[in-house]
Amino acid sequence: EVRLVESGGGLIQPGGSLRLSCAASGFTVSSNYMTWVRQAPGKGLEWVSLIKSGGSTYYADSVKGRFTISRDNSKNTLYLQMNSLRAEDTAVYYCAKDYDSSGYFDYWGQGTLVTVSS
Amino acid sequence: EIVMTQSPATLSVSPGERATLSCRTSQNVNSNLAWYQQKPGQAPRLVIYGASTRATGIPARFSGFGSGTEFTLAISSLQSEDFAVYYCQQYNNWPPYTFGQGTKLEIK
Repeated sequence: EVRLVESGGGLIQPGGSLRLSCAASGFTVSSNYMTWVRQAPGKGLEWVSLIKSGGSTYYADSVKGRFTISRDNSKNTLYLQMNSLRAEDTAVYYCAKDYDSSGYFDYWGQGTLVTVSS
Repeated sequence: EIVMTQSPATLSVSPGERATLSCRTSQNVNSNLAWYQQKPGQAPRLVIYGASTRATGIPARFSGFGSGTEFTLAISSLQSEDFAVYYCQQYNNWPPYTFGQGTKLEIK
């Protein structure tokens, strides 16, 4: 059974850093495209970042230069390192598995809430 | 960036009736469009991909139509569990992947 479990969210001051984790089971993270999608409170979905199976990484313009996506193959875990956080980064962050490198997301985690506030 | 426009923002339909949700893209995305269902406090769930293919476990009352820039999600004979927010997403031109702003399907 495929399962994705995010962790690492919390309250952080503007300008601070946070690392989100997404522990996967039931499939191999490194063999799949993996993505982060966020949802601000009461708002819609926003794609944040993707890592290909080959290791190439992609970012939304809103986070480019501040966020870094990575993975630990030995732990079968996806990460999102978030630096220079802003109030507008406040959201629930979901990790999701891309189906067969297709571009749509067949499995999602339950999400972790990041709140950026002083 | 491809802009996604969903309509209406809110759709009120009675159980047992049919609902039709629309999604328009600012550029041709061929059939590279997905629909997701999201209930309060839950993660999104894939409903349709390839514009018209139902995801695993999705009931046959869900149908997707369209290609190019105009897409429709139809739900026949609405059940109580179908009331949720629905998002469309294009994956033809990326980055970025883009989502519509959502249509809230509520009980009339």
